[in-house]
Amino acid sequence: GAVVSQHPSRVICKSGTSVKIECRSLDFQATTMFWYRQFPKQSLMLMATSNEGSKATYEQGVEKDKFLINHASLTLSTLTVTSAHPEDSSFYICSARNTGSLYGYTFGSGTRLTVV
Amino acid sequence: AQSVSQHNHHVILSEAASLELGCNYSYGGTVNLFWYVQYPGQHLQLLLKYFSGDPLVKGIKGFEAEFIKSKFSFNLRKPSVQWSDTAEYFCAVNAGSRGGKLIFGQGTELSVKP
Repeated sequence: GAVVSQHPSRVICKSGTSVKIECRSLDFQATTMFWYRQFPKQSLMLMATSNEGSKATYEQGVEKDKFLINHASLTLSTLTVTSAHPEDSSFYICSARNTGSLYGYTFGSGTRLTVV
Repeated sequence: AQSVSQHNHHVILSEAASLELGCNYSYGGTVNLFWYVQYPGQHLQLLLKYFSGDPLVKGIKGFEAEFIKSKFSFNLRKPSVQWSDTAEYFCAVNAGSRGGKLIFGQGTELSVKP
């Protein structure tokens, strides 16, 4: 079945540095990918929708200059958290829409970001 | 704006008990509805989905859900839970066109006692 590989699974970084998270669709092409943020014991909050070859669409309240999204190919989308602060510590999850299936979303396994 | 509400934050059941998790959404148009499960330390997995047709949808692992349009609800059910059903359950809605963004409910943590 469709697989989305997300890594790193865990990352610890210092305040002020940037962190890049990758999301790859392994056996299908994903024209659209979604990035979510999940706080402990809370739901997934959609941050942005990325479309291959175009600018990402950010949800209201999400700083696009802080959370840089690049979707340069049909199998790769990246989320870069710039100038990270402790409040950016969270669980980030990507999801890819499988254009080859009737209607499928496949989720990555998530990245636990801790900013110290 | 679309929103999804799950009524139960944490449900605790004994094995063999019946389960029903509530999910309501707010959107007046056509919707596509999903239930996902997240086992501890694992990624989200699709349990079932509703697009159209029979409002009673059967999914994997014995789960089913009923879409009641008049109540804007899509409740998840299972007649007899197992310890292995312990997980977080999320209801999600996609409004309008298929393949668009999913909006998730707050999630319900299910703990099944052996």
